[in-house]
Amino acid sequence: AQTVTQSQPEMSVQEAETVTLSCTYDTSESDYYLFWYKQPPSRQMILVIRQEAYKQQNATENRFSVNFQKAAKSFSLKISDSQLGDAAMYFCAYRSGGTYKYIFGTGTRLKVLA
Amino acid sequence: DTAVSQTPKYLVTQMGNDKSIKCEQNLGHDTMYWYKQDSKKFLKIMFSYNNKELIINETVPNRFSPKSPDKAHLNLHINSLELGDSAVYFCASSQVLLNEKLFFGSGTQLSVL
Repeated sequence: AQTVTQSQPEMSVQEAETVTLSCTYDTSESDYYLFWYKQPPSRQMILVIRQEAYKQQNATENRFSVNFQKAAKSFSLKISDSQLGDAAMYFCAYRSGGTYKYIFGTGTRLKVLA
Repeated sequence: DTAVSQTPKYLVTQMGNDKSIKCEQNLGHDTMYWYKQDSKKFLKIMFSYNNKELIINETVPNRFSPKSPDKAHLNLHINSLELGDSAVYFCASSQVLLNEKLFFGSGTQLSVL
């Protein structure tokens, strides 16, 4: 069974600094999709970034980028120039191609210090 | 304008009661989901429907029964509520075959007293 592991329950970063959140996954599939979702205190789940496994290039969205290491089954999220509004729970998620199930990690709470 | 809307946002009820949560999406997606987020923030899939057909049914007590009258709606009915059912329930939808992301509703916080 596929699993998603986020080993950092909580992380802190100074405003304007860079932080990296870790995510590893276990799968025997070659076709799959990876996501990072942000959940601020408002509770709304917001997609931050997504990565298709067949793409070698790491996805980037403004200050957010990923380090996708397919062989290592690692999918970390880098947040540059951290802002107070980045404070939230961050969830890594996985979906195998051809299936409907999105599997989530246990989340990392990110605190941004002024 | 809301893509995935679920009602109510908050639900406070007594043990033993029966309650329903409604969800509607206006994105034209074929697949809808119910996720449960517990007090530790862990998100666990409960059910999924694709074009009104149940395709995912995780290990969930029989007291939980989803119903999809059409592909734009997915409701969750819970019988005989227990204290342990207290959680945030999220509805979500996706056009999986187009490799879409999951679009989430704003969640329903259920508190069983």
